[in-house]
Amino acid sequence: LAKTTQPISMDSYEGQEVNITCSHNNIATNDYITWYQQFPSQGPRFIIQGYKTKVTNEVASLFIPADRKSSTLSLPRVSLSDTAVYYCLVVGSGGSYIPTFGRGTSLIVHP
Amino acid sequence: NAGVTQTPKFRVLKTGQSMTLLCAQDMNHEYMYWYRQDPGMGLRLIHYSVGEGTTAKGEVPDGYNVSRLKKQNFLLGLESAAPSQTSVYFCASSYPAGLMNNSPLHFGNGTRLTVT
Repeated sequence: LAKTTQPISMDSYEGQEVNITCSHNNIATNDYITWYQQFPSQGPRFIIQGYKTKVTNEVASLFIPADRKSSTLSLPRVSLSDTAVYYCLVVGSGGSYIPTFGRGTSLIVHP
Repeated sequence: NAGVTQTPKFRVLKTGQSMTLLCAQDMNHEYMYWYRQDPGMGLRLIHYSVGEGTTAKGEVPDGYNVSRLKKQNFLLGLESAAPSQTSVYFCASSYPAGLMNNSPLHFGNGTRLTVT
């Protein structure tokens, strides 16, 4: 299983862009990078997934360099409601896999 | 479409008591998982199932048992509760990763369990 490393916490202010980087040095060829968001007292929620280059949806963008050893989740113009814990997972696309969550990154957005 | 439903939402047990947590999903997902979440620890996988009638151990299975008698249900049992099992328990479900690359986990809203 590819191990991921991400910052424990980050602080930002409303209206700023937030970039959370995740390291996954031993990612395998068939692995995807998946990010989840968790609000207090709720289960995690899938927000974005990618394999290489850039993926964008209505919530976030995901940047993956050519070597795929890291990825960056970008949240444009954050608001107070983006305060949450963000988890980076590396997920295998072939055969069975065990989704493993680390401690995630606790993002606090200040007014 | 309810997604993943967990019952109960809250429970207080005395040490040594038993209980069963129920997880139900209506998305026809093959895979189901039970995680526990403790402060500052992230989510840790207890048990999982890749299909009806099958279960497997995760990272922290001791003290728990599971059953998957029906595809839509995944039960987590505590035979003799201990204070160390005080936690928030999350159930999740998904399609198999091998069939669909975009196979995100869908989570319930958790069961908060306190063992005194």
